[in-house]
Amino acid sequence: DAGVTQSPTHLIKTRGQQVTLRCSPISGHKSVSWYQQVLGQGPQFIFQYYEKEERGRGNFPDRFSARQFPNYSSELNVNALLLGDSALYLCASSLVPDLQETQYFGPGTRLLVL
Amino acid sequence: GEDVEQSLFLSVREGDSSVINCTYTDSSSTYLYWYKQEPGAGLQLLTYIFSNMDMKQDQRLTVLLNKKDKHLSLRIADTQTGDSAIYFCAEKRTDSSYKLIFGSGTRLLVRP
Repeated sequence: DAGVTQSPTHLIKTRGQQVTLRCSPISGHKSVSWYQQVLGQGPQFIFQYYEKEERGRGNFPDRFSARQFPNYSSELNVNALLLGDSALYLCASSLVPDLQETQYFGPGTRLLVL
Repeated sequence: GEDVEQSLFLSVREGDSSVINCTYTDSSSTYLYWYKQEPGAGLQLLTYIFSNMDMKQDQRLTVLLNKKDKHLSLRIADTQTGDSAIYFCAEKRTDSSYKLIFGSGTRLLVRP
């Protein structure tokens, strides 16, 4: 079975632009979470979606938004890009958002903002 | 992650044991995880432990949990060069999102 897939793998944007990142969860998984990993740090939680509803939001500005589609795939949008948005963006999926459910991560999208 | 702390770097000789340590702050955390990240890659789940356990062993990996001190460790037996990577511990919060809070990672270097 395929794991979590993300696209694109790499992306270069300039300040002020907008970007959309995509994630497909493991087949059967209905919950998707997004994390930002800045170089040299651990991942930081951005959003979680379950059944197309936002279940959690981390400490990120409103420039960050996300949505989940009926097939449980998800998009993360970032507007008005800043240099500090350069990071590895990781998507994780789980069957449901539950205490006992493990989150499995995709390979990430590496975003560079110039 | 400000609530989860790890030492930054560990260097061991091939064949020795490695012990990576982590401290966390949320006493309500019930699941704690270890993930491995190789250069340019995503996170690979290694193992996890539930808070009602003191120890969990999975092949070369042993996880020890001291709930009183909020201390978690990962022991890798017979460390191989392929184990060289960054290791993250993470705690699962018990709010509605069950989000993971990560440490900053420990870079493990295995010397031949």
